[in-house]
Amino acid sequence: NAGVTQTPKFRVLKTGQSMTLLCAQDMNHEYMYWYRQDPGMGLRLIHYSVGEGTTAKGEVPDGYNVSRLKKQNFLLGLESAAPSQTSVYFCASRSAGASTDTQYFGPGTRLTVL
Amino acid sequence: GQNIDQPTEMTATEGAIVQINCTYQTSGFNGLFWYQQHAGEAPTFLSYNVLDGLEEKGRFSSFLSRSKGYSYLLLKELQMKDSASYLCAVMDSNYQLIWGAGTKLIIKP
Repeated sequence: NAGVTQTPKFRVLKTGQSMTLLCAQDMNHEYMYWYRQDPGMGLRLIHYSVGEGTTAKGEVPDGYNVSRLKKQNFLLGLESAAPSQTSVYFCASRSAGASTDTQYFGPGTRLTVL
Repeated sequence: GQNIDQPTEMTATEGAIVQINCTYQTSGFNGLFWYQQHAGEAPTFLSYNVLDGLEEKGRFSSFLSRSKGYSYLLLKELQMKDSASYLCAVMDSNYQLIWGAGTKLIIKP
């Protein structure tokens, strides 16, 4: 099992450009999450999904869109990148068993917006 | 508002014991998690507490006091590979995780 994978690992964008980050998991997990991690701050939830075809907003959703067309994939889109979106982005997934099951994280995508 | 507080950085000596504290104020409580994150890597699960008391798992133990909004992670027999950030996270009433900024632990020989 690969667990949770993310592509790309690194990316540099210019202000106004768009891109999509891909998260894939092979653990048959129902729940998937996108977080961003900035220095001196805790992980902040951007969007999440409780199952195929569903998405919901987290704490900091502005400037991002998501899609969950397949159970194993969760895509995060930036339509018009801004320097404030420079961050490390982590995807996570967990089973739908107990709500308190642990989340498993991908290796992260380091995004720089110039 | 919701708030998780933990020290920014701690230093300890190889072979010693260190305690990392976490205090929280959240809307609801459905458990507290500790994760370890090595530099440039993803967070990995260490422990979960939902009831008061101490949970021991090898060299790592985690304690919870719900009435005080307080937890600590205790690391014994420190090894150089324990140098990492330790993240405290509380699951709130909506079953979402609220994360602290993390404690960077530096281990010296």
